[in-house]
Formats: sequence, structure tokens, C-alpha cells
Amino acid sequence: GQNIDQPTEMTATEGAIVQINCTYQTSGFNGLFWYQQHAGEAPTFLSYNVLDGLEEKGRFSSFLSRSKGYSYLLLKELQMKDSASYLCAVMDSNYQLIWGAGTKLIIKP
Amino acid sequence: DSGVTQTPKHLITATGQRVTLRCSPRSGDLSVYWYQQSLDQGLQFLIQYYNGEERAKGNILERFSAQQFPDLHSELNLSSLELGDSALYFCASTTSGRVHEQFFGPGTRLTVL
Repeated sequence: GQNIDQPTEMTATEGAIVQINCTYQTSGFNGLFWYQQHAGEAPTFLSYNVLDGLEEKGRFSSFLSRSKGYSYLLLKELQMKDSASYLCAVMDSNYQLIWGAGTKLIIKP
Repeated sequence: DSGVTQTPKHLITATGQRVTLRCSPRSGDLSVYWYQQSLDQGLQFLIQYYNGEERAKGNILERFSAQQFPDLHSELNLSSLELGDSALYFCASTTSGRVHEQFFGPGTRLTVL
């Protein structure tokens, strides 16, 4: 079967760095997405990786290792507004997105 | 603002009733997805339409149905509602390309009493 694993919840301190991991087992691979979702709001797109390596976008970076079925989202210089759920999703061989359950990130002052 | 619109924003109804949720995709997007998200749960994919045709089905109950119209807006019909159907229902759209990020509407919060 297809499976995406992420930690359920993480806590970090304002100004620090946090890494949210995602491991996946899917039928084929056409890329991995990270989304941010504030409570009660719609998910918003953060990043897309299809090749191995690191993609940097401001304070956020996303890494992919296809051979290991592994990705992480790195958030630097954490701000209180970064408190949200972070969703990992993999596009399978049928171009369908398989979603992880999300990681709830709590930022403390 | 993602450009995807959903109506209504909130819906309160009783068990056994039927409701229709509406979604208008971003201009130019041919593909529409429907998701259900129960409280503190992940996104559950329900169904996808592409240019009026059903493209993929997820964990959609038989009591639920959807369609996409010629103007590309989509409707999700939920019938014989149960308490457990209370959730946020999101619609998302993408361009015609296969590998593109999905743009989500603001969601419809359904409460079944």
C-alpha cells in the first residue's frame, strides 16, 4: 500500500530552526509537495521537489532523497506565525497526490 | 487569495438531510479535487474531475456524489447526512498539466446536528 509518515507534533522556539521529516512508500514517484495549513484555513503550497537535493526558498528549504524515500522541510528563524500544520504529499505514478496526516508545529516564545 | 471560490462558507444541517457544496476553480484550471478534513485530521481525498470527466476516486462514500459542469464549476452532493460527516470540505484546482501544485479554496465547514 501507499504510505506517508510524518511526526504528529513538534515544538520549537521562536528564532530557532526546526526540521520536519517525511518518509514515503508509494506506487511510483512524480514529486513531493509541502503545504502549510493554519488551523481552520486552507492549505497553501510551500515547495515541490522532484530531483534529489535541497530547494531553498527564503526561510524555508525542502530536501529530497528518492533512494531513501525521504524528505524534510527546514524552517529557519522561526516566527510565531509559523505555528501551523505542515503537510507532506507525494504524487504517485497515476499523478495522484497521496497526503500525509500532517505535522502540527508549535512555536513557543 | 488562491482564486478558488467555495460556497457556502458555513453550513449547519440535521442528520438525514442532503446538502450541496459548490466550487469554482481558478480561471483556466480544468482539474478539480474534493477533500474532507475532520477535526484535527489529515486531508482525505474524495474525488477528482478533469474537464467534466471523473478522473480519480478516493475514499468517497456512496452517499456522496460530485460532478463538474461545462463551465468547470463543481458540486459535491452529500446525502443522508450523519454526525460523522461534520468536517471541513475543501475544493482544490490545478492547471491542465499533470505535475502542478493544487490551489485550495477557503473550504466549507459542515456541521451536522
